[in-house]
Amino acid sequence: EAQVTQNPRYLITVTGKKLTVTCSQNMNHEYMSWYRQDPGLGLRQIYYSMNVEVTDKGDVPEGYKVSRKEKRNFPLILESPSPNQTSLYFCASHPAGFMNTEAFFGQGTRLTVV
Amino acid sequence: AQTVTQSQPEMSVQEAETVTLSCTYDTSENNYYLFWYKQPPSRQMILVIRQEAYKQQNATENRFSVNFQKAAKSFSLKISDSQLGDTAMYFCAFMKQRSAGNQFYFGTGTSLTVIP
Repeated sequence: EAQVTQNPRYLITVTGKKLTVTCSQNMNHEYMSWYRQDPGLGLRQIYYSMNVEVTDKGDVPEGYKVSRKEKRNFPLILESPSPNQTSLYFCASHPAGFMNTEAFFGQGTRLTVV
Repeated sequence: AQTVTQSQPEMSVQEAETVTLSCTYDTSENNYYLFWYKQPPSRQMILVIRQEAYKQQNATENRFSVNFQKAAKSFSLKISDSQLGDTAMYFCAFMKQRSAGNQFYFGTGTSLTVIP
């Protein structure tokens, strides 16, 4: 089954404690992204990756890091989480082609930073 | 810059009735895609319908259809014969092609409640 898998689905952590949210896709997609969803703001892109070892900032990259060492994996790293990073996070992937494409999303990670 | 505007934060509809969700977007691109995604309480993002900008014919998927007005930059979603399972947050999204890869932009969402 084609899917994007995020882990964990729920996470409560304390300010300053480094954490990683994993994302893996099994569709051989070149393009992967991280979004955060906040009430009234919709989905905002944090980082994206065009392929292995190629990443770039989205609209709200401050406080986040990513890596793309393998095509299927795109972890999101919060080295020193703060309460304003409490949010719902989504990983998404899609192929490089433009025709008939769509974004495939993971199940979401609800992060609370206290 | 591309922006996607959903001006209706919340809507409700009676079961079996029809409801229309609005979306407008701003772009200078000529070729692009538009999407409606559904997010039920499970939080999963599910593609509802997709429209290619160069196609004049409005897309339809069973009870879901769009009214795509390219000149007006409008992309509304019509849900016919609303069902309780349609209760969800709906996001309008725009995608353009870039040399660095396709880029998605999302609206702020419309929370739809179907009333029994």
